[in-house]
Amino acid sequence: EAQVTQNPRYLITVTGKKLTVTCSQNMNHEYMSWYRQDPGLGLRQIYYSMNVEVTDKGDVPEGYKVSRKEKRNFPLILESPSPNQTSLYFCASSAYPGQSYEQYFGPGTRLTVT
Amino acid sequence: GQQVMQIPQYQHVQEGEDFTTYCNSSTTLSNIQWYKQRPGGHPVFLIQLVKSGEVKKQKRLTFQFGEAKKNSSLHITATQTTDVGTYFCAGKEGNTPLVFGKGTRLSVIA
Repeated sequence: EAQVTQNPRYLITVTGKKLTVTCSQNMNHEYMSWYRQDPGLGLRQIYYSMNVEVTDKGDVPEGYKVSRKEKRNFPLILESPSPNQTSLYFCASSAYPGQSYEQYFGPGTRLTVT
Repeated sequence: GQQVMQIPQYQHVQEGEDFTTYCNSSTTLSNIQWYKQRPGGHPVFLIQLVKSGEVKKQKRLTFQFGEAKKNSSLHITATQTTDVGTYFCAGKEGNTPLVFGKGTRLSVIA
């Protein structure tokens, strides 16, 4: 089944404790992206990757890191989480975006930073 | 940078009433996509519009792309409780990433 998986689905952590949210897709998509969703703010892009070893900042990259060592994986790293990073995070993938393919979203990771 | 504005933010309708959400871009778009997110779920792709003035239908849903390719709308005829959720438009300009609107949350009262 074609899908995007994220882990963990729920995470409660404390300020400053490094964490990683994994994202994996099995559709051989070149493009992957991370979004955060907050009430009233919609979906805001954090980082995106056009292909392996190519990553770019989205609209709200501060406090986040990503890597794209393999085509299928695109982990989101919070080196020192803060309470303002409490949010619902979605990973998404699509075939090469230049051709405007639909994005497939993962199930989401609800992060709470206390 | 590119901005995509979506209105209204919320809409409450009685079951059977129609519903429309509007999307406006500050720049001319190469295409626009629409997504639906059910409560507690993730966004799911509905459709993509590419051509100026394009109109596409999916059962009770009608999607339009403006002549100038700067605005779009989603119209639902005779809403049902299964239509509940948040509808997002997402615009694309050239090879830049999709930019999402803030969404319209639809509530349907049975």
